Amino acid sequence: QVQLQESGPGLVKPSGTLSLTCAVSGGSISNDNWWSWVRQSPGKGPEWIGEIHHIRNTNYSPSFKGRVTISLDKSKNQFSLNLTSVTAADTAVFYCAKNGAFNMDVWGKGASVTVSS
Amino acid sequence: EIVPTQSPGTLSLSPGERATLSCKTSQSISNKYLAWYQQKPGQAPRLLIYGVSNRATGIPDRFSGSGSGTDFTLTISRLEPEDFAVYYCQHYDTSFYTFGQGTKLEIK
Repeated sequence: QVQLQESGPGLVKPSGTLSLTCAVSGGSISNDNWWSWVRQSPGKGPEWIGEIHHIRNTNYSPSFKGRVTISLDKSKNQFSLNLTSVTAADTAVFYCAKNGAFNMDVWGKGASVTVSS
Repeated sequence: EIVPTQSPGTLSLSPGERATLSCKTSQSISNKYLAWYQQKPGQAPRLLIYGVSNRATGIPDRFSGSGSGTDFTLTISRLEPEDFAVYYCQHYDTSFYTFGQGTKLEIK
């Protein structure tokens, strides 16, 4: 079955850009699925950031609009998250996920990102 | 924006007991748009229930979901030691997902 693995820097400087990649295995990113990014700040519940479809349609949470870009690379079977102008409030674990029917049915293990100088 | 509200914040029970977790939405929603997740420390959330009452693949039948309109419930019929975790409900609304703040189920 589909498995997801996040990767990227664990430390980002304030005002910098957070960039993460999610590698998809056990299935094709070009299947008729949406793929999401979710943030979970320490001690808080998950917070949906946005999603992308293989035809490159995207939807973003209003909380992140203007700072977030989600893209995908079919040749590498992966999708990516870019979050600009980060602050300490963006320190969190970031998960990538495969969307099911109005939910997220497969999750990566998560990538911990700290925003600090 | 419809934000799910979960209660209680913490639930203390013993193995073998029945757990009832609540999720309320500010407006009536379609049943197919409500899901439940379990999260253990250091792990990603795991989908338990979708469409209010459908168990995800591999989820034991002691987990059940019910409800309609604005009031939804996750029930664990007989708690096993591995069930003590944090549970989140999640709502979908026109390309936007929101999660509740969670209920921590702890061992009494």
